[in-house]
Amino acid sequence: QITLKESGPTLAKPTQTLTLTCTFSGFSFSNNGVSVGWIRQPPGKALEWLALLYWDDDKRYSPSLTDRLTVTKDTSEDRVVLTLTNIDPADTGTYYCAHSDRRSFNWLDVFDVWGQGIKVTVSS
Amino acid sequence: DIQMTQSPSVLPASVGDTVNITCRASHHIATYLSWYQQTAGIAPKLLIYSASTLQSGVPSRFSGSASGTVFTLTISGLQPEDFAAYYCQQSYSTSLTFGGGTKVEI
Repeated sequence: QITLKESGPTLAKPTQTLTLTCTFSGFSFSNNGVSVGWIRQPPGKALEWLALLYWDDDKRYSPSLTDRLTVTKDTSEDRVVLTLTNIDPADTGTYYCAHSDRRSFNWLDVFDVWGQGIKVTVSS
Repeated sequence: DIQMTQSPSVLPASVGDTVNITCRASHHIATYLSWYQQTAGIAPKLLIYSASTLQSGVPSRFSGSASGTVFTLTISGLQPEDFAAYYCQQSYSTSLTFGGGTKVEI
């Protein structure tokens, strides 16, 4: 059974760097086709894709946030870390990490298992 | 970026209705289109991928279709648990994008 869980601060101040961790189990990041994505959702608004980290360490970022985002993996600990620099109240929302496996979905990047999400508020 | 435009944003409906939700891509995306359902306060759930393939365990009242750059999610015979928000997502581009969402409400 695949599970993911987000952790990190729930309250952060403007201009700080937000670091969120996704701890997963039930799959191996060494398998061809596997990836972990980050998606966020401001209160009452739509989902927004942020980043995608592939099994081969390839990384993709949202063009609107690419200069502020970094995603890395710690395979020894089965974790993926997202950092967002210079945060602003507009970064408030629920942040999700999610599993994808291209082998299962015609080589598409599709999120089949999601974490429960972590609510982050950016306020001074 | 490929923009995904969903309509309507709000869809009033009743139990038993058949409803259609549309997602239009700004560029060609073949059938690299997925649909998700999100019940309030809960993480999204994958319903359909490759425009029309039902994810394992998803009821058959959900279906998807494609015509060029226009994609449709159909729910045939709405059940009480189907009142939720629905999002499309394209994965044709290396930069993924979600649609703005459609809320199906009573």
